[in-house]
Amino acid sequence: DVKVTQSSRYLVKRTGEKVFLECVQDMDHENMFWYRQDPGLGLRLIYFSYDVKMKEKGDIPEGYSVSREKKERFSLILESASTNQTSMYLCASSFFSVVDNRAQPQHFGDGTRLSIL
Amino acid sequence: EDQVTQSPEALRLQEGESSSLNCSYTVSGLRGLFWYRQDPGKGPEFLFTLYSAGEEKEKERLKATLTKKESFLHITAPKPEDSATYLCAVQANRNFNKFYFGSGTKLNVKP
Repeated sequence: DVKVTQSSRYLVKRTGEKVFLECVQDMDHENMFWYRQDPGLGLRLIYFSYDVKMKEKGDIPEGYSVSREKKERFSLILESASTNQTSMYLCASSFFSVVDNRAQPQHFGDGTRLSIL
Repeated sequence: EDQVTQSPEALRLQEGESSSLNCSYTVSGLRGLFWYRQDPGKGPEFLFTLYSAGEEKEKERLKATLTKKESFLHITAPKPEDSATYLCAVQANRNFNKFYFGSGTKLNVKP
C-alpha cells in the first residue's frame, strides 16, 4: 500500500511566522502535490513537483513556496503566515506510467489542519 | 474550460436504500477519471480509476461507471459505514499533472 505521511496532524502558528509542512511518500513516485481544502471551495492546487528540484505553480501559489531536495520528500513553506492561510493542507503523490502512459491516481496523506492566530 | 461538477451536494439514505452519485465533466480529452472517499478529518482515499466510456469498476457495495460526459458511483444496499464525502477527479490528456476535482457529495446513511 502507498503511504503518504504528513509530519503534523494539527499545527497552530502565529501571524508572520515562517511555517514548514513536510510530506514523505514511500512508493518512489515521481509526482508530488500540495493542496489546501476549504469548506465550499473544495481542493485547490498550490504547487506540484514532477521530479527532484522541479516545481510548478498550481492555482493558488501566492504566499507559498515549496522544496523538493529528495524524491520522497516535498515541503510546503508559508513564507509569512497570515490568518487567511488557516486551512486543511493535503499532500499527495502519484507515479507516471512509462509502460502504458495511463493516468494514475493520486494518493493522499491524512492532512495537516493548520491554524494561524 | 475543464471542470467537474458533482451532484447532489448531500444525500441522506436509509440503510439498504440504494442510490447513485453523479460526476459530470467537461475536459478536452479525458485521460482518466478517479473516485475517492473522504472521511471527516482525513485525506481522500482512492477508490477507482476509469479510463474510457463503457468501463465499470466494482468494490464491495460500490460500482463506478463512465460515459463520455459523466460518471456514476452506484451504492447498493449502503451501510452506515459508507457515510463519507465522495470526490470525483479527472485528468486531461493535455496536462498530465493537473487533476480537476469536484466539490464532492456528502453521503449520510442512517441505520
